[in-house]
Amino acid sequence: KNQVEQSPQSLIILEGKNCTLQCNYTVSPFSNLRWYKQDTGRGPVSLTIMTFSENTKSNGRYTATLDADTKQSSLHITASQLSDSASYICVVSVNTGGFKTIFGAGTRLFVKA
Amino acid sequence: ETGVTQSPTHLIKTRGQQVTLRCSSQSGHNTVSWYQQALGQGPQFIFQYYREEENGRGNFPPRFSGLQFPNYSSELNVNALELDDSALYLCASSPRVSSPDTQYFGPGTRLTVL
Repeated sequence: KNQVEQSPQSLIILEGKNCTLQCNYTVSPFSNLRWYKQDTGRGPVSLTIMTFSENTKSNGRYTATLDADTKQSSLHITASQLSDSASYICVVSVNTGGFKTIFGAGTRLFVKA
Repeated sequence: ETGVTQSPTHLIKTRGQQVTLRCSSQSGHNTVSWYQQALGQGPQFIFQYYREEENGRGNFPPRFSGLQFPNYSSELNVNALELDDSALYLCASSPRVSSPDTQYFGPGTRLTVL
């Protein structure tokens, strides 16, 4: 079982609609949680980063939430655009004397006109 | 553009061969991490280098090794290539090893093992 689980695996929405992507994690001790956007064939680009004490972070039309007690995070995309079509990856970092990063498998979002 | 560059962009090798991938960090970043991303999957952490020393490793065999140079650029070496090593290899640099600062990813090297 992956230590960072994302859902749904893929999602199709119409342009202009909102959507919410989910991330559940089991890793500890938690250092930070990040959401990345990855276009096909390119490297991931950071959207938000949250530490243990933060429970929400916004970046334009992207809003991430974090519940460190339940170990859940979500990424909400408002007023979707065609260019939002990409994979969205949840990443959890732990620091146990050595740095370790664990990526989720991603949610593939398709925005249709 | 993130300022992180990788070379080559694409590479084709055969089983048993060795490969070296290169990464140039963003200016001022002393930490670099390498990831393997299979098609349709999220990146898997290979290892991280901080000030030329390995500072964390994922579940990869010893035939995956790395180097970080004084200018903080980095190499990923893979020996005895296997078909399953075919993937996109990403490097990411960050300004500090243990801060929550964002990692900046390069565009990746697409390795195909035949």
